[in-house]
Amino acid sequence: DVKVTQSSRYLVKRTGEKVFLECVQDMDHENMFWYRQDPGLGLRLIYFSYDVKMKEKGDIPEGYSVSREKKERFSLILESASTNQTSMYLCASRELDNSPLHFGNGTRLTVT
Amino acid sequence: GQQVMQIPQYQHVQEGEDFTTYCNSSTTLSNIQWYKQRPGGHPVFLIQLVKSGEVKKQKRLTFQFGEAKKNSSLHITATQTTDVGTYFCAGRGSGGSNYKLTFGKGTLLTVNP
Repeated sequence: DVKVTQSSRYLVKRTGEKVFLECVQDMDHENMFWYRQDPGLGLRLIYFSYDVKMKEKGDIPEGYSVSREKKERFSLILESASTNQTSMYLCASRELDNSPLHFGNGTRLTVT
Repeated sequence: GQQVMQIPQYQHVQEGEDFTTYCNSSTTLSNIQWYKQRPGGHPVFLIQLVKSGEVKKQKRLTFQFGEAKKNSSLHITATQTTDVGTYFCAGRGSGGSNYKLTFGKGTLLTVNP
């Protein structure tokens, strides 16, 4: 079974802090994604990566950056956290373009 | 950009009643995927539809992909309390940036036992 592991289930950070959200997958998947989920807004794509060191902006990249130095790890970075970035963050991976997404358990980030 | 509209946003049913959620895309899709997210959980893949007019069944769940590949539906027959959760459709565009899945906002299903 594919396992996508997000490093933290809950995080509380202060406004202006630099925040790192880590995601690791164990199935050698090419593609990895970061979504945020908010009530009434569904899942919105922040960034995705189709290969090591490759990244593409999603629908809402502002205020975020990503890093993919190794195939199994995809990091989401909030350069200067703001209260409107309080959300559930979901990492996902997939083997190929048409493959299903496998999600991690999510990180609930609160910025105060 | 591509948009995927999903209705209804919420649905409350009595156990044993049927349930349907609908997705409509602003553009033609190459495929559509359906996911279920239990309360407190993460989205879990249910099925993928690729062909125009395709119908697939998983026990009490029936998935359809429209002839024009712009809409899809999920129908649950005789709901059970285990069906509770949010159901998302996710469509992949048929050209250009076709790496990306666009998710509908989901339908939250609650079932009264």
